[in-house]
Amino acid sequence: EDQVTQSPEALRLQEGESSSLNCSYTVSGLRGLFWYRQDPGKGPEFLFTLYSAGEEKEKERLKATLTKKESFLHITAPKPEDSATYLCAVQGRGSQGNLIFGKGTKLSVKP
Amino acid sequence: SAVISQKPSRDICQRGTSLTIQCQVDSQVTMMFWYRQQPGQSLTLIATANQGSEATYESGFVIDKFPISRPNLTFSTLTVSNMSPEDSSIYLCSVGGRNTDTQYFGPGTRLTVL
Repeated sequence: EDQVTQSPEALRLQEGESSSLNCSYTVSGLRGLFWYRQDPGKGPEFLFTLYSAGEEKEKERLKATLTKKESFLHITAPKPEDSATYLCAVQGRGSQGNLIFGKGTKLSVKP
Repeated sequence: SAVISQKPSRDICQRGTSLTIQCQVDSQVTMMFWYRQQPGQSLTLIATANQGSEATYESGFVIDKFPISRPNLTFSTLTVSNMSPEDSSIYLCSVGGRNTDTQYFGPGTRLTVL
């Protein structure tokens, strides 16, 4: 059964304090791994898609990396506006395109 | 990316009633997905809706409880039938991007059942 586990559940950082969020996954043939950001009361906002081990993608203060078992979302020098819940999801090769989500990591960045 | 809207954005309903949620996309898409996000939980897929065919439901979800319509390539509805407090959730529709596996989500419908 495809499964996604995210850690930690919650993370509190001071502004400028870099850290990483973890996403461990098991899937029968990875088609893609996705990172989303979700603000309270809103739908998930797409950040990155990763397809193969060793791949990396960056956007502003965020960098996503992928291995065969897990993905990391690195946040460099975060700002208060980076506060949100970050969701990880996988798509298996046998799926119709649907995503399997983790429970997310709630990030709080204090000024 | 596609622009997706949902109506209503939120609603409070009585037990035993039904609510229909609308999802509108600004471009034609083949596949649309409906997810549920219960408090403190992951997003869970309810069903996949393709235009011109019956929706495909995930284990634990049935058509009588969550009937779906997909009349054209830009619109879909999800009905939550005979509601109970356990149906209180955020309901989200999503669509696939053109030529990519990425999915884009609507803003969600926050449903509270009393």
